Order: sequence, then structure tokens, then C-alpha cells
Amino acid sequence: DAGVTQSPTHLIKTRGQHVTLRCSPISGHKSVSWYQQVLGQGPQFIFQYYEKEERGRGNFPDRFSARQFPNYSSELNVNALLLGDSALYLCASSLASGGVGNEQFFGPGTRLTVL
Amino acid sequence: GDSVTQMEGPVTLSEEAFLTINCTYTATGYPSLFWYVQYPGEGLQLLLKATKADDKGSNKGFEATYRKETTSFHLEKGSVQVSDSAVYFCALSSGTGRRALTFGSGTRLQVQP
Repeated sequence: DAGVTQSPTHLIKTRGQHVTLRCSPISGHKSVSWYQQVLGQGPQFIFQYYEKEERGRGNFPDRFSARQFPNYSSELNVNALLLGDSALYLCASSLASGGVGNEQFFGPGTRLTVL
Repeated sequence: GDSVTQMEGPVTLSEEAFLTINCTYTATGYPSLFWYVQYPGEGLQLLLKATKADDKGSNKGFEATYRKETTSFHLEKGSVQVSDSAVYFCALSSGTGRRALTFGSGTRLQVQP
């Protein structure tokens, strides 16, 4: 079975532009989470979606938004890009939204560079 | 809020040496604890987990024990290999629904032959 897939692999944008990142979860998984990993740091939680509804939101500005589609794939949108948005964006899928020991499976990430 | 503190790297060891990577946490209630590994150019992979106090997670020769009294979840391996070279992240999930993972800053391990 395919794991979590993300597209594109790499992306270069300029300040002020917007970007859309895409994620397809593992087949059968209904929950998708997004994380931002700045170079040299651990991933930071951005959003979680389950059954197309937002179930959690991290401490990120309103420039960040996301949605989940009926097939459980997801998009992360970032508007008015800043240099500080340069990072590896990770998508993780899981069977459920929460619960003890909820295991999240991560994709390879999208490397976003903002110039 | 929740937080995870890991020892800073890089940690450089010779093959077959003993490994310890320290991890301590601050969280409300009783979090679930995880170790993830990130190999160069790849995404995060779950290495092991523990969901309650005194649980021991283990996988591929790695072990970690959930110590509530010291709020720690140290990663150990008795004999490292070159192939273990990677970045290791300690993480927790807690609170209602346990939806988000809170990660430490990661520890880079370099194993020399």
C-alpha cells in the first residue's frame, strides 16, 4: 500500500505570493494533520482535519488555512508569504482524530523556499 | 503549555557503542510519548511509543521507558550501527482528543564505522 504522498516535492515562491500544498493520506485513514518544520527544529503543529472538519489548530496566523476533501485528501494554503514561511511542510495521516497512542504516519514533505 | 526538551546534538558515536538520547517533557495530564526518526531526505517514521507510566516501548533494538516521576522518556540502544545515523525526535500528545503532536528540537546521531 502507498504511504502518505505530498506534492510538490519542492517549491520556490517570492514574498507576498500564495502557495497550495497537497497531501493524500494512507488508504483508509480519515484524518490529516499538517506540520511546519523549520530547518534545525522539530515540527510544529498547524492543523488537523477529520472527516472534512477542522479538529485542531496550532498557533499560526490566519494566512494559513486548510481543507479536507471527500476523498480525505487535503490542501494547505498559505497567503502573503513571508521569508519566515520557508520550511519543510509535513503531512501526517491517521485512522482517527485522536485517542491514546494515536499513531500518525508522515509523508516526505514539501520543501518551500520563499525568496 | 506542553513542551519537550531533548539533548542537543550532534551525538557522534563509534559503531557498536551504547546510545542514550535524553528527553524530558512538560504536559497536562497523562500524555502519550513517542520517538520518531528522520533519515536524510525522508519523512518522519515512528520508532516507538508508550501510552502510560512505566510502559516500555521498543523497536529495532531501541528502547524507551515512560517515567512519570521524572517526566522523562530517554531513548537507548545497546549497540548502534552506521545505519542508525539520523535525526531523532521525542514527541508527546496530550489533552482532550490528543490530536496534535508536540515535538522536541531533534537530536542528530552520527555513527562512525
